[in-house]
Amino acid sequence: GAVVSQHPSWVICKSGTSVKIECRSLDFQATTMFWYRQFPKQSLMLMATSNEGSKATYEQGVEKDKFLINHASLTLSTLTVTSAHPEDSSFYICSAREGGGTYEQYFGPGTRLTVT
Amino acid sequence: GQNIDQPTEMTATEGAIVQINCTYQTSGFNGLFWYQQHAGEAPTFLSYNVLDGLEEKGRFSSFLSRSKGYSYLLLKELQMKDSASYLCAVLDSNYQLIWGAGTKLIIKP
Repeated sequence: GAVVSQHPSWVICKSGTSVKIECRSLDFQATTMFWYRQFPKQSLMLMATSNEGSKATYEQGVEKDKFLINHASLTLSTLTVTSAHPEDSSFYICSAREGGGTYEQYFGPGTRLTVT
Repeated sequence: GQNIDQPTEMTATEGAIVQINCTYQTSGFNGLFWYQQHAGEAPTFLSYNVLDGLEEKGRFSSFLSRSKGYSYLLLKELQMKDSASYLCAVLDSNYQLIWGAGTKLIIKP
């Protein structure tokens, strides 16, 4: 149980275009989803926290107009990187938390974004 | 501020035992997680401690001392596949996970 999927697993896009990444909880309802970014050989960096049906809470230094997060249902959250630039190239990982007193985060397999 | 410290890198021999330490200073405490992350992959859950003491799960054990703000992950009978980064994360008073930078564990034959 507690499986989280992410799509796509990797994507290459041109500078200036937008990319949407989907995160789905397959066998549980995720009241909260998290989006992380990880650069090579660095630790996870939390970008934003989203609760179903409400606006995402962004961490300091993360541009909410550039990284659009939507958590429209209890099983789906999306991250859209708008007007992508090469410096946005990174490993993006989502995680989901079931809620109800449990705090373990289940991670998706990650999406490797390369902006050329 | 909130701070989690763990060694950057450790090296151990196949078949041996290694202990990865984690110290933390956070605003509140609601538990400590250990995750394993292989290169290029997402983290996978290893353990969760909220009470003091040792939790054993197969070859992996995790220890917590809340009074000392200290935890360790103990890996026994090391295998080559244990080469990975090990992330310590604390759930703070707002139930947000505060992540350590991770410890890269290198296993040598």
